Amino acid sequence: DIVMTQSPDSLAVSLGERATINCKSSQSVLYSSDNKNYLAWYQQKSGQPPKLLIYWASTREFGVPDRFSGSGSGTDFTLTISSLQAEDVAVYYCQQDYSTPPTFGQGTKVEIK
Amino acid sequence: EVQLVESGGGLVKPGGSLRLSCAASGFSFGDAWMSWVRQAPGKGLEWVGRIKSRLEGETIRYAAPVKDRFTISRDDSRNTLYLEMDSLKTEDTAVYFCTTEAPQGFDHWGQGTLVTVSS
Repeated sequence: DIVMTQSPDSLAVSLGERATINCKSSQSVLYSSDNKNYLAWYQQKSGQPPKLLIYWASTREFGVPDRFSGSGSGTDFTLTISSLQAEDVAVYYCQQDYSTPPTFGQGTKVEIK
Repeated sequence: EVQLVESGGGLVKPGGSLRLSCAASGFSFGDAWMSWVRQAPGKGLEWVGRIKSRLEGETIRYAAPVKDRFTISRDDSRNTLYLEMDSLKTEDTAVYFCTTEAPQGFDHWGQGTLVTVSS
């Protein structure tokens, strides 16, 4: 199974500041036949189901604010919130869908400083 | 609007069984890959298993911890996904989410149903 490791486990950022979350996979999730990284990011607010934010490492899901961006390729990925808003307080998960079983990172809790 | 509504959760003793349902609407259920993902209290997300569409042979895969104990099925005529859970263990305690699984990820989620395995 591909192991997904996120860092940090939690971070506190001031409103309007940048938040950066890293995700590392134990093997590449870049599919050579279509040159896509099968890496997604989810946001889970307290008491709610997860919500898909970013897929194929850098494509924002419809309706997701452009302050959220994803980058990286192969085994190393980053989710950036360019200007943290109060409504962004949540746990964020990365997930690979390159191979079965799909696996998630342990989550990163984002709070307001 | 896509809607996924899980039901069937509850309290069950270790070794017991439970059947979860997920009623789907707002999309072409029969064409969709469907998955179950669970979340133990205060913990992260864990994929449980998936069933592909009928066109793709309704192929089913399970996560190792539930293989041979859980069974996923679908009834496309009722737009409903099922998760039959047998030989339940305390470590199966979790909120169980029904999700659609697209090439880009798990793009729609239900609100989840809580399963508690305790004596």
